[in-house]
Amino acid sequence: EPEVTQTPSHQVTQMGQEVILRCVPISNHLYFYWYRQILGQKVEFLVSFYNNEISEKSEIFDDQFSVERPDGSNFTLKIRSTKLEDSAMYFCASTTSRQETQYFGPGTRLLVL
Amino acid sequence: AQKVTQAQTEISVVEKEDVTLDCVYETRDTTYYLFWYKQPPSGELVFLIRRNSFDEQNEISGRYSWNFQKSTSSFNFTITASQVVDSAVYFCAPPNTGNQFYFGTGTSLTVIP
Repeated sequence: EPEVTQTPSHQVTQMGQEVILRCVPISNHLYFYWYRQILGQKVEFLVSFYNNEISEKSEIFDDQFSVERPDGSNFTLKIRSTKLEDSAMYFCASTTSRQETQYFGPGTRLLVL
Repeated sequence: AQKVTQAQTEISVVEKEDVTLDCVYETRDTTYYLFWYKQPPSGELVFLIRRNSFDEQNEISGRYSWNFQKSTSSFNFTITASQVVDSAVYFCAPPNTGNQFYFGTGTSLTVIP
Protein backbone atom coordinates (compact mmCIF):
# COMPACT_ATOMS: atom_id res chain seq x y z
CA GLU A 1 0.00 0.00 0.00
CA PRO A 2 1.45 3.41 -0.95
CA GLU A 3 2.47 5.62 1.91
CA VAL A 4 3.92 9.03 2.63
CA THR A 5 7.55 8.89 3.69
CA GLN A 6 9.60 11.49 5.53
CA THR A 7 13.30 11.94 6.14
CA PRO A 8 15.03 12.24 8.45
CA SER A 9 13.05 10.68 11.26
CA HIS A 10 14.97 12.78 13.78
CA GLN A 11 17.03 15.92 13.39
CA VAL A 12 18.99 17.85 15.99
CA THR A 13 20.25 21.29 15.06
CA GLN A 14 21.68 24.39 16.63
CA MET A 15 19.61 27.54 16.94
CA GLY A 16 20.06 29.73 13.88
CA GLN A 17 20.87 26.87 11.55
CA GLU A 18 18.88 26.04 8.46
CA VAL A 19 17.08 22.73 8.23
CA ILE A 20 15.33 21.02 5.36
CA LEU A 21 12.72 18.39 6.08
CA ARG A 22 11.90 16.06 3.25
CA CYS A 23 8.74 14.28 2.28
CA VAL A 24 7.79 11.95 -0.53
CA PRO A 25 4.01 12.11 -0.96
CA ILE A 26 1.96 9.31 -2.44
CA SER A 27 2.67 9.33 -6.16
CA ASN A 28 -0.74 10.18 -7.62
CA HIS A 29 -1.57 12.80 -4.99
CA LEU A 30 -1.83 16.44 -5.96
CA TYR A 31 -2.26 18.31 -2.68
CA PHE A 32 0.50 18.46 -0.11
CA TYR A 33 0.60 19.74 3.44
CA TRP A 34 2.87 20.38 6.35
CA TYR A 35 1.68 20.28 9.93
CA ARG A 36 3.59 20.50 13.17
CA GLN A 37 2.98 19.23 16.67
CA ILE A 38 4.86 20.70 19.59
CA LEU A 39 5.34 18.06 22.28
CA GLY A 40 2.15 17.54 24.23
CA GLN A 41 0.15 19.95 22.11
CA LYS A 42 -2.23 19.67 19.21
CA VAL A 43 -1.39 19.18 15.56
CA GLU A 44 -1.25 22.56 13.81
CA PHE A 45 -1.58 23.31 10.12
CA LEU A 46 1.37 25.11 8.53
CA VAL A 47 0.89 25.20 4.78
CA SER A 48 -0.84 23.56 1.84
CA PHE A 49 0.62 23.30 -1.64
CA TYR A 50 -1.05 22.62 -4.95
CA ASN A 51 -0.03 23.07 -8.57
CA ASN A 52 3.44 24.18 -7.56
CA GLU A 53 2.35 27.00 -5.34
CA ILE A 54 1.20 27.64 -1.80
CA SER A 55 -2.59 27.58 -1.59
CA GLU A 56 -3.02 28.27 2.13
CA LYS A 57 -0.73 29.05 5.01
CA SER A 58 -1.22 29.67 8.69
CA GLU A 59 0.10 32.44 10.90
CA ILE A 60 2.83 30.08 12.04
CA PHE A 61 4.22 29.87 8.52
CA ASP A 62 6.21 33.09 8.54
CA ASP A 63 9.14 34.23 6.42
CA GLN A 64 11.43 31.74 8.11
CA PHE A 65 9.55 28.91 6.44
CA SER A 66 9.42 27.90 2.81
CA VAL A 67 8.23 24.91 0.85
CA GLU A 68 9.30 23.52 -2.44
CA ARG A 69 8.59 20.65 -4.76
CA PRO A 70 11.98 20.45 -6.42
CA ASP A 71 11.17 17.44 -8.58
CA GLY A 72 8.27 15.13 -9.28
CA SER A 73 8.48 13.27 -6.03
CA ASN A 74 9.90 15.32 -3.16
CA PHE A 75 8.15 17.99 -1.12
CA THR A 76 10.38 19.93 1.27
CA LEU A 77 9.95 22.27 4.20
CA LYS A 78 12.83 24.62 4.89
CA ILE A 79 13.31 26.56 8.09
CA ARG A 80 15.90 29.24 7.39
CA SER A 81 17.08 30.14 10.86
CA THR A 82 15.75 27.78 13.47
CA LYS A 83 14.57 28.94 16.87
CA LEU A 84 14.16 26.95 20.06
CA GLU A 85 10.40 27.10 19.65
CA ASP A 86 10.63 25.33 16.28
CA SER A 87 11.30 22.11 18.16
CA ALA A 88 8.39 19.89 17.26
CA MET A 89 7.25 16.90 15.24
CA TYR A 90 6.67 17.90 11.64
CA PHE A 91 4.18 15.92 9.61
CA CYS A 92 3.80 15.87 5.87
CA ALA A 93 0.47 14.83 4.35
CA SER A 94 -0.89 14.35 0.88
CA THR A 95 -4.23 13.75 -0.79
CA THR A 96 -5.74 13.35 -4.23
CA SER A 97 -8.19 16.23 -3.99
CA ARG A 98 -9.85 18.61 -1.58
CA GLN A 99 -12.06 17.00 1.07
CA GLU A 100 -10.42 13.64 0.47
CA THR A 101 -8.53 11.77 3.13
CA GLN A 102 -5.13 13.18 3.95
CA TYR A 103 -2.50 10.54 4.50
CA PHE A 104 0.23 11.48 6.90
CA GLY A 105 3.88 10.55 6.95
CA PRO A 106 5.53 9.22 10.10
CA GLY A 107 6.89 12.64 10.98
CA THR A 108 10.28 14.23 11.54
CA ARG A 109 11.13 15.07 15.12
CA LEU A 110 13.12 18.31 15.11
CA LEU A 111 15.06 19.39 18.15
CA VAL A 112 16.61 22.84 18.19
CA LEU A 113 19.31 23.39 20.81
CA ALA B 1 -13.45 28.37 10.02
CA GLN B 2 -14.37 24.96 11.27
CA LYS B 3 -14.11 24.15 14.92
CA VAL B 4 -14.19 20.92 16.83
CA THR B 5 -14.70 20.21 20.51
CA GLN B 6 -13.58 17.00 22.08
CA ALA B 7 -14.66 17.61 25.64
CA GLN B 8 -13.03 14.49 27.05
CA THR B 9 -9.37 15.29 27.46
CA GLU B 10 -8.41 11.95 28.97
CA ILE B 11 -10.28 8.69 29.40
CA SER B 12 -9.16 5.52 31.12
CA VAL B 13 -10.98 2.23 30.74
CA VAL B 14 -10.25 -1.32 31.70
CA GLU B 15 -9.60 -3.72 28.87
CA LYS B 16 -12.75 -5.17 27.27
CA GLU B 17 -14.87 -2.23 28.30
CA ASP B 18 -16.65 -0.21 25.64
CA VAL B 19 -15.73 3.45 25.34
CA THR B 20 -17.22 6.35 23.42
CA LEU B 21 -15.22 9.39 22.37
CA ASP B 22 -17.29 12.49 21.79
CA CYS B 23 -16.85 15.00 18.99
CA VAL B 24 -18.92 18.12 18.45
CA TYR B 25 -18.11 20.30 15.48
CA GLU B 26 -19.08 23.66 14.07
CA THR B 27 -19.25 24.44 10.40
CA ARG B 28 -20.94 26.89 8.07
CA ASP B 29 -20.73 24.53 5.15
CA THR B 30 -23.79 22.60 4.04
CA THR B 31 -21.67 19.83 2.59
CA TYR B 32 -18.62 18.71 4.43
CA TYR B 33 -16.58 15.75 5.50
CA LEU B 34 -15.51 14.66 8.91
CA PHE B 35 -12.55 12.53 9.83
CA TRP B 36 -11.18 10.61 12.76
CA TYR B 37 -7.47 9.99 13.19
CA LYS B 38 -5.56 8.01 15.78
CA GLN B 39 -2.15 8.93 17.16
CA PRO B 40 -0.62 5.99 19.04
CA PRO B 41 2.32 6.49 21.42
CA SER B 42 4.70 5.97 18.51
CA GLY B 43 3.52 9.32 17.16
CA GLU B 44 2.22 8.71 13.66
CA LEU B 45 -1.22 9.88 12.55
CA VAL B 46 -3.38 7.03 11.36
CA PHE B 47 -6.52 7.60 9.34
CA LEU B 48 -9.61 5.86 10.73
CA ILE B 49 -12.68 7.13 8.89
CA ARG B 50 -14.02 9.76 6.51
CA ARG B 51 -17.71 10.59 6.59
CA ASN B 52 -19.78 12.69 4.18
CA SER B 53 -22.28 15.03 5.81
CA PHE B 54 -25.04 13.62 3.60
CA ASP B 55 -24.58 10.14 4.98
CA GLU B 56 -25.97 9.86 8.49
CA GLN B 57 -25.93 6.11 8.67
CA ASN B 58 -23.86 4.72 11.45
CA GLU B 59 -20.75 2.93 10.35
CA ILE B 60 -19.16 -0.10 11.88
CA SER B 61 -15.70 -1.43 11.20
CA GLY B 62 -14.79 -4.33 13.40
CA ARG B 63 -14.70 -3.06 16.97
CA TYR B 64 -15.00 0.54 15.83
CA SER B 65 -18.28 2.32 15.18
CA TRP B 66 -19.24 5.89 14.47
CA ASN B 67 -22.47 7.72 15.23
CA PHE B 68 -23.00 10.79 13.09
CA GLN B 69 -25.83 13.08 14.15
CA LYS B 70 -26.06 16.11 11.91
CA SER B 71 -28.87 17.64 13.98
CA THR B 72 -26.58 17.88 17.00
CA SER B 73 -23.35 18.36 15.02
CA SER B 74 -21.81 15.36 16.65
CA PHE B 75 -19.66 12.57 15.27
CA ASN B 76 -18.95 10.19 18.11
CA PHE B 77 -16.62 7.21 18.01
CA THR B 78 -17.14 4.01 19.97
CA ILE B 79 -14.63 1.27 20.58
CA THR B 80 -16.21 -1.99 21.63
CA ALA B 81 -14.30 -4.43 23.82
CA SER B 82 -11.31 -2.12 24.10
CA GLN B 83 -7.79 -3.49 23.94
CA VAL B 84 -4.49 -2.16 25.22
CA VAL B 85 -3.45 -1.43 21.63
CA ASP B 86 -6.29 1.06 21.42
CA SER B 87 -4.40 3.33 23.81
CA ALA B 88 -3.75 6.48 21.80
CA VAL B 89 -4.84 10.05 21.25
CA TYR B 90 -7.86 10.26 18.98
CA PHE B 91 -8.62 13.32 16.89
CA CYS B 92 -11.86 14.32 15.27
CA ALA B 93 -10.94 16.56 12.35
CA PRO B 94 -13.15 18.59 10.09
CA PRO B 95 -11.27 20.07 7.14
CA ASN B 96 -11.59 23.77 6.62
CA THR B 97 -12.78 25.19 3.35
CA GLY B 98 -9.14 25.62 2.43
CA ASN B 99 -8.78 21.91 2.99
CA GLN B 100 -6.31 22.13 5.81
CA PHE B 101 -7.35 20.01 8.74
CA TYR B 102 -8.17 21.55 12.04
CA PHE B 103 -7.15 19.21 14.80
CA GLY B 104 -8.50 19.85 18.25
CA THR B 105 -6.69 18.80 21.37
CA GLY B 106 -7.92 15.24 20.94
CA THR B 107 -8.93 12.66 23.51
CA SER B 108 -6.22 10.60 25.14
CA LEU B 109 -7.47 7.06 25.71
CA THR B 110 -5.68 4.70 28.06
CA VAL B 111 -6.79 1.09 28.14
CA ILE B 112 -5.67 -0.62 31.31
CA PRO B 113 -4.94 -4.34 31.09
